[in-house]
Amino acid sequence: EVQLVESGGGLVKPGGSLRLSCAVSGFNFGKVWMSWVRQVPGKGLEWIGRLKRESYDGTEDYAAPLKGRFTLSRDDSKDILYLQMSSLQTEDTAVYYCVTGGNTLGNWGPGTLVTVSS
Amino acid sequence: DIQMTQSPSSLSASVGDRVTITCQASQDIRNYLNWYQQKPGKAPKLLIFDASNLETGVPPRFSGGGSGTHFTLTITSLKPEDLATYFCQQYDNLPLTFGGGTKVEVK
Repeated sequence: EVQLVESGGGLVKPGGSLRLSCAVSGFNFGKVWMSWVRQVPGKGLEWIGRLKRESYDGTEDYAAPLKGRFTLSRDDSKDILYLQMSSLQTEDTAVYYCVTGGNTLGNWGPGTLVTVSS
Repeated sequence: DIQMTQSPSSLSASVGDRVTITCQASQDIRNYLNWYQQKPGKAPKLLIFDASNLETGVPPRFSGGGSGTHFTLTITSLKPEDLATYFCQQYDNLPLTFGGGTKVEVK
């Protein structure tokens, strides 16, 4: 069974940083593109970025407004996907989802809530 | 960025009704269109990929159609468990973009 579990969310002050993790199981993580998507509670979905598998080229793509502040990375030896976030603003408050796929988003984690507030 | 416009934003229908949700893309996206279902308090779930292909395990009362700029998601014979918000998403161009969602209420 495919499982994705995000962790690392919580309360952070404006200007702060946070690293989210996504532990996966039930599939060959190293062969899969991965993405992060976020959702302000009660609102729509926003794509953050994707990370291609190493055997493809291992590169990342980002939503333009987030590039430079958000960084995706992966540890294929531990089956973990990361999202490093810096210079966080109140508008970054959202539930953050880890997702399999880079175009079609096949499997989603339950999400982790990030709250940016002073 | 490609804009995805869904309509209606919400609807209420009775058990057994046929429901159709539309998604309009701001430019031709061929058939690079997916549909997701998000039940209250849960993560989204892939329903349909490439405009018309049912994801494994999704009941056949769900179907998708369209190509180019106009797409539809149809639920034949609505069931109480279909209470959810439905989102379309294009992947023809980066960034991936989503429609605003259609909230389906079951009377």
